[in-house]
Amino acid sequence: GESVGLHLPTLSVQEGDNSIINCAYSNSASDYFIWYKQESGKGPQFIIDIRSNMDKRQGQRVTVLLNKTVKHLSLQIAATQPGDSAVYFCAENFSGNTPLVFGKGTRLSVIA
Amino acid sequence: DAGVIQSPRHEVTEMGQEVTLRCKPISGHNSLFWYRQTMMRGLELLIYFNNNVPIDDSGMPEDRFSAKMPNASFSTLKIQPSEPRDSAVYFCASSPGQVNSPLHFGNGTRLTVT
Repeated sequence: GESVGLHLPTLSVQEGDNSIINCAYSNSASDYFIWYKQESGKGPQFIIDIRSNMDKRQGQRVTVLLNKTVKHLSLQIAATQPGDSAVYFCAENFSGNTPLVFGKGTRLSVIA
Repeated sequence: DAGVIQSPRHEVTEMGQEVTLRCKPISGHNSLFWYRQTMMRGLELLIYFNNNVPIDDSGMPEDRFSAKMPNASFSTLKIQPSEPRDSAVYFCASSPGQVNSPLHFGNGTRLTVT
């Protein structure tokens, strides 16, 4: 049920460690950002979002950081678990109610 | 809520055949999106609708691709005739339609054209 490619950047982390997944976005005018998680054979699942008037937002075990100066977005996952193994996508939105533009994705592999 | 429902989950067809993919968005969502995911290109937007009206179909690869949304609870993506390079996973997503709201994706249809 693979739905994404074999050539994605891969991050391998030990179970229990923290994970940091990075994303460089393209448009300095983007004002809304989302992280999605995609497990094999499933559609992308919303994790957390952040608007450009913020630089940090926390959820349950996840934190998103936004650095508009260098157009960088990161997703931090605390105490990574095997169930966190998936492909993670960042997405950006600009010009208000227009479709999200997705990045290429990063594969997170959790070593038990 | 059942989420976005897509059918079929898998479709295998021969080159030249017509393929119809179906989507039921989340009730109350005003926007619907069709994406295609491949190894080479990742997630690509094909077309999206607001209030059942197609807004942007610039991502539709060719005239062989068409999409309709006859009502707020149903959309189809049709490929006629299909070609092997159309093999991909096709996702439907919906959103409430408000500015800066996340998309909710279905689990996709894996299309294989031989």
